[in-house]
Amino acid sequence: KAGVTQTPRYLIKTRGQQVTLSCSPISGHRSVSWYQQTPGQGLQFLFEYFSETQRNKGNFPGRFSGRQFSNSRSEMNVSTLELGDSALYLCASSPTGRIATEAFFGQGTRLTVV
Amino acid sequence: QQQVKQSPQSLIVQKGGISIINCAYENTAFDYFPWYQQFPGKGPALLIAIRPDVSEKKEGRFTISFNKSAKQFSLHIMDSQPGDSATYFCAARVDKGSARQLTFGSGTQLTVLP
Repeated sequence: KAGVTQTPRYLIKTRGQQVTLSCSPISGHRSVSWYQQTPGQGLQFLFEYFSETQRNKGNFPGRFSGRQFSNSRSEMNVSTLELGDSALYLCASSPTGRIATEAFFGQGTRLTVV
Repeated sequence: QQQVKQSPQSLIVQKGGISIINCAYENTAFDYFPWYQQFPGKGPALLIAIRPDVSEKKEGRFTISFNKSAKQFSLHIMDSQPGDSATYFCAARVDKGSARQLTFGSGTQLTVLP
């Protein structure tokens, strides 16, 4: 059974640009959540999707957005990138409708903003 | 109220010893408490999880102890091995309405000496 796949693995962007990250959950998993990991702030919840609906969003500015498609794949978008957006972005999928139950994480996308 | 406080920040243990990591929380709406293990360059991997109606859960060398009245829970790694050297995160989940999210502790870097 394939795990959670995140693409791309690494990304370098310039300040002011926008970026789109992709997450393919484990087959059959309908809940997908996103997290930002930095050395200073640790792991912080970005948002969670279930059946194409965003059920909650963490305390991040509106530049951070996401969506989920009918096949449960999810994307997150960051517009007008800032240096502080440099981080490891992780997505996790869960087999049930309950966020984080038996959640499996992908390897993440390492975003560097220069 | 969404915070989960984790200690210690780092831990060094001899091979064969017991590693103990502690977490504390305030929000009584948390209903699921997982522990994750993360190796460099990888996403977090679910180790073991507990619900608040259970005081202890054991899986192999890993045990969670849960004290609901004190709002504390801990991870015990018995017979610690060098391969256990990683960063460990406790987490707590709210699964209701607009508060639905997984909140992580700040992480503990465990080093097991051979």
